[in-house]
Amino acid sequence: QKEVEQNSGPLSVPEGAIASLNCTYSDRGSQSFFWYRQYSGKSPELIMFIYSNGDKEDGRFTAQLNKASQYVSLLIRDSQPSDSATYLCAVWNDYKLSFGAGTTVTVRA
Amino acid sequence: DADVTQTPRNRITKTGKRIMLECSQTKGHDRMYWYRQDPGLGLRLIYYSFDVKDINKGEISDGYSVSRQAQAKFSLSLESAIPNQTALYFCATSDSHRTEAFFGQGTRLTVV
Repeated sequence: QKEVEQNSGPLSVPEGAIASLNCTYSDRGSQSFFWYRQYSGKSPELIMFIYSNGDKEDGRFTAQLNKASQYVSLLIRDSQPSDSATYLCAVWNDYKLSFGAGTTVTVRA
Repeated sequence: DADVTQTPRNRITKTGKRIMLECSQTKGHDRMYWYRQDPGLGLRLIYYSFDVKDINKGEISDGYSVSRQAQAKFSLSLESAIPNQTALYFCATSDSHRTEAFFGQGTRLTVV
């Protein structure tokens, strides 16, 4: 079982729609959860982090965490063409940050 | 200047050659990491270091070695490069196990 799994995508959404990204993790002791955005050939950049169960909103982004279900999600509201990228879910467990394979999102005009 | 700097940015090398990728940081973080990224596989941890005297293998360390020359410098070596080590390599730093990791710009390595 992979430590971090994401819905495989790719995900194509119209401009202005909501993009929904999902992630599950295997280590129940994981403490911190992150969403990174990565443009092609570039380094990952942090867009959201969440430590506690529930929702966390930052602008057009909302992260949701459910530790009982070992599930993390990211919602992108009012999607823009500039949101077209690969989104990586990352989970801290003990000593390392483990990444999912990523979900590629394309926002079509 | 970037907080986490990797050199070189691009490198093409031949099978069997030794190559070193370098990483330096100005963030003052103790923890440094080397990741490898392949299409469809996300980032996989090669080595990590919590301080100069603490170096540990990650999930895919075979064929790689590292050196932590100072708190700010962490180098990755491929002793004898092989084509399946062709990938995008990232160095990252963090100041604790709960906070975000900061990434360098990446090194695109091609082994022919």
